[in-house]
Amino acid sequence: DTGVSQDPRHKITKRGQNVTFRCDPISEHNRLYWYRQTLGQGPEFLTYFQNEAQLEKSRLLSDRFSAERPKGSFSTLEIQRTEQGDSAMYLCASRSTGEGGYTFGSGTRLTVV
Amino acid sequence: SQQGEEDPQALSIQEGENATMNCSYKTSINNLQWYRQNSGRGLVHLILIRSNEREKHSGRLRVTLDTSKKSSSLLITASRAADTASYFCATDNTGNQFYFGTGTSLTVIP
Repeated sequence: DTGVSQDPRHKITKRGQNVTFRCDPISEHNRLYWYRQTLGQGPEFLTYFQNEAQLEKSRLLSDRFSAERPKGSFSTLEIQRTEQGDSAMYLCASRSTGEGGYTFGSGTRLTVV
Repeated sequence: SQQGEEDPQALSIQEGENATMNCSYKTSINNLQWYRQNSGRGLVHLILIRSNEREKHSGRLRVTLDTSKKSSSLLITASRAADTASYFCATDNTGNQFYFGTGTSLTVIP
């Protein structure tokens, strides 16, 4: 296992379109996180899963955002009816339960035009 | 909302010098972590310090934690051009997710 993989690396979409991102975490990690990062800012928490259960969602995660982790392995983040304000880097991270740091993927950069 | 705030926002030093960056946070924590991010990439975990620890070392990194002041510092000794990156502190106060600060952009001039 070489780490956390995110796909695609870049996505350009027109306003109003739907987009879906995928994250494949480290296989031994039961926790998976989604963060959003805009230019010049630190990552902002969106949501996290423990196995297949979505345990917490940030208020940043509007009704247009949905995340799934159907079998407790990979996860998808979908944004419906994209807006220009959704333009950001979407980061996925995973870790094991208990103490320890995140392992981040390289992110998906979304540009809404 | 972001929990921590790094200071300074930007730092430029010569190769070989030491770099110190600080993080202040708002609530009690279980632990605090530092991450590095190269431009346009994901973050890399550097070091974790628990709330009952005051200092921790890892290679050229030294982290201190003062829970009474709700602050931490990251010292990079003998800096190299490859250390050029943004550095973020992240706090864990629930055991679930981490909250990141706004970051310090470090430039090491060869």
